[in-house]
Amino acid sequence: AQSVTQPDIHITVSEGASLELRCNYSYGATPYLFWYVQSPGQGLQLLLKYFSGDTLVQGIKGFEAEFKRSQSSFNLRKPSVHWSDAAEYFCAVAGNTNAGKSTFGDGTTLTVKP
Amino acid sequence: GAVVSQHPSWVICKSGTSVKIECRSLDFQATTMFWYRQFPKQSLMLMATSNEGSKATYEQGVEKDKFLINHASLTLSTLTVTSAHPEDSSFYICSARDLEGAYGYTFGSGTRLTVV
Repeated sequence: AQSVTQPDIHITVSEGASLELRCNYSYGATPYLFWYVQSPGQGLQLLLKYFSGDTLVQGIKGFEAEFKRSQSSFNLRKPSVHWSDAAEYFCAVAGNTNAGKSTFGDGTTLTVKP
Repeated sequence: GAVVSQHPSWVICKSGTSVKIECRSLDFQATTMFWYRQFPKQSLMLMATSNEGSKATYEQGVEKDKFLINHASLTLSTLTVTSAHPEDSSFYICSARDLEGAYGYTFGSGTRLTVV
């Protein structure tokens, strides 16, 4: 069975500080990995995705993530956080097995201090 | 890029009535669409997988007679919540996967359903 763990329920960082959100996954084959952001009452916006190739993936809004197969991780990073980045972040795994279903982590709430 | 349009964005209905939510892929053909439900401050839970022209596959614990899914074309899937009750109030989100997997998974903006 596929699963995603986001160990941090809530993270608070100061504006301008760097950010790393952790994601660990379990998947029996080559995974597709995603990071999404959700503002309150809104749908999900895709930040970035990894399918294959370069393990360091660049996304929108200055985010990047690194796929580390040996650690089963796909951590999200941003060098300098802006107040508008405050939101809920979800990591997800999917693939060609299991009918292509996406499994989501429980999410990490990011608070940005001025 | 790939866009999935979900409509309506919010709906209030009376208990006992039915509500239909539409999910459209605007610039690509979606062989597979997924319907998720999200409770406040929780993650997304997959309800069902719909494939164009065939019956939906429901996740364990999801009532197929209550949550009717139709995927009649490669660009449209609908979720109908039948005989809605207050406990069905939730945020429903669809996602679509394109024919060749090139776009991966694109999500709609969600529908906030409130049953009163």
